[in-house]
Amino acid sequence: EAGVAQSPRYKIIEKRQSVAFWCNPISGHATLYWYQQILGQGPKLLIQFQNNGVVDDSQLPKDRFSAERLKGVDSTLKIQPAKLEDSAVYLCASSFSRLMNTEAFFGQGTRLTVV
Amino acid sequence: GIQVEQSPPDLILQEGANSTLRCNFSDSVNNLQWFHQNPWGQLINLFYIPSGTKQNGRLSATTVATERYSLLYISSSQTTDSGVYFCAVVKRNSGYALNFGKGTSLLVTP
Repeated sequence: EAGVAQSPRYKIIEKRQSVAFWCNPISGHATLYWYQQILGQGPKLLIQFQNNGVVDDSQLPKDRFSAERLKGVDSTLKIQPAKLEDSAVYLCASSFSRLMNTEAFFGQGTRLTVV
Repeated sequence: GIQVEQSPPDLILQEGANSTLRCNFSDSVNNLQWFHQNPWGQLINLFYIPSGTKQNGRLSATTVATERYSLLYISSSQTTDSGVYFCAVVKRNSGYALNFGKGTSLLVTP
């Protein structure tokens, strides 16, 4: 079974530029999560989707971050404009169903450096 | 929100030693997972263990949900066990997503 796929693996951009990350979850997984992990900390939830609907985006900085999951499968996370403090690893995860408390699996992450 | 505390924050072991990592959480949970983050940043699933005990090779985990803690045991440690170990919990009426602790950083020396 294929795991969660993310791209790119690494990205370096200048502040005020825009960037986009892509995630393809495990086939059949209805729930998709985006997490931000700053160096030395645990991952922090940014946004959670159930199929193509947002169920929790309370911690997403909506003035600069946006995310979509239009067809209920793959998802993109965008930052525009980027700030230095956005330097982090962005992790995508999926689970069969959040309502059934099923196990979540993570992709390899995208390491973003903003200079 | 639910608080997740992991201890110790850092641990150095010699190869072959055993260790116990602890995860305390502030409220009842519906799901608990242990992960190993390798030096390349990948989060590897170790255990899905909202309650009870599980074993997988040299690793085992126990969650005592009524007392709000979980333990991860590593026996006969190897250098490849190095990395950061995270505990993460889900509380159903707090959004359903995993809430992570700060992790335990483990270094196993030859």
